[in-house]
Amino acid sequence: AQTVTQSQPEMSVQEAETVTLSCTYDTSESDYYLFWYKQPPSRQMILVIRQEAYKQQNATENRFSVNFQKAAKSFSLKISDSQLGDAAMYFCAYRSARSGNTPLVFGKGTRLSVIA
Amino acid sequence: GAVVSQHPSWVICKSGTSVKIECRSLDFQATTMFWYRQFPKQSLMLMATSNEGSKATYEQGVEKDKFLINHASLTLSTLTVTSAHPEDSSFYICSARPQGEDQPQHFGDGTRLSIL
Repeated sequence: AQTVTQSQPEMSVQEAETVTLSCTYDTSESDYYLFWYKQPPSRQMILVIRQEAYKQQNATENRFSVNFQKAAKSFSLKISDSQLGDAAMYFCAYRSARSGNTPLVFGKGTRLSVIA
Repeated sequence: GAVVSQHPSWVICKSGTSVKIECRSLDFQATTMFWYRQFPKQSLMLMATSNEGSKATYEQGVEKDKFLINHASLTLSTLTVTSAHPEDSSFYICSARPQGEDQPQHFGDGTRLSIL
């Protein structure tokens, strides 16, 4: 079974600074997807960024980028120019690509605080 | 974009009551929907995979007689918590993904269930 590990329960960053959230995963599969989700206090699950394992290029979405190291099974999220609205729980997630019905497997999450 | 609607958003009821939570895909068909449970300050734990027209697949440790799942149409899955007790109090989230390998998974806004 696949597992996702987020080793940082809590992180904090000064407004306008950069922060990196760590995520590692364990799988024997070669084809899969990786995601970062944001969950603010409203508890909505918001997709931040996704990465296809077959793509070598790291995904970017505006201030959010990832460092995907397939051999190391590492998938960190970098948030640049942090804003107060970035404060939330961040979950790293894995999904197998072997069929269309595979669920997301989540890490335990990292609570990010942004200091004004 | 694709939207998943979950209802109710919050329910409080007495112990012994059965509670039904609905999850609808509003603008796409979903042959598969997923039900997650989230305890305070914890991650999302997959409870079951709901398959349209067939029985749900439950994760280990989830009581299928306690958490009844029905997926009678391509746009609706329901989770019924039968004879609910205080320990069933939690945040329940459904999600669904449009057909197509490249489609992202969409989440409902969740249901906060409180059993007195």
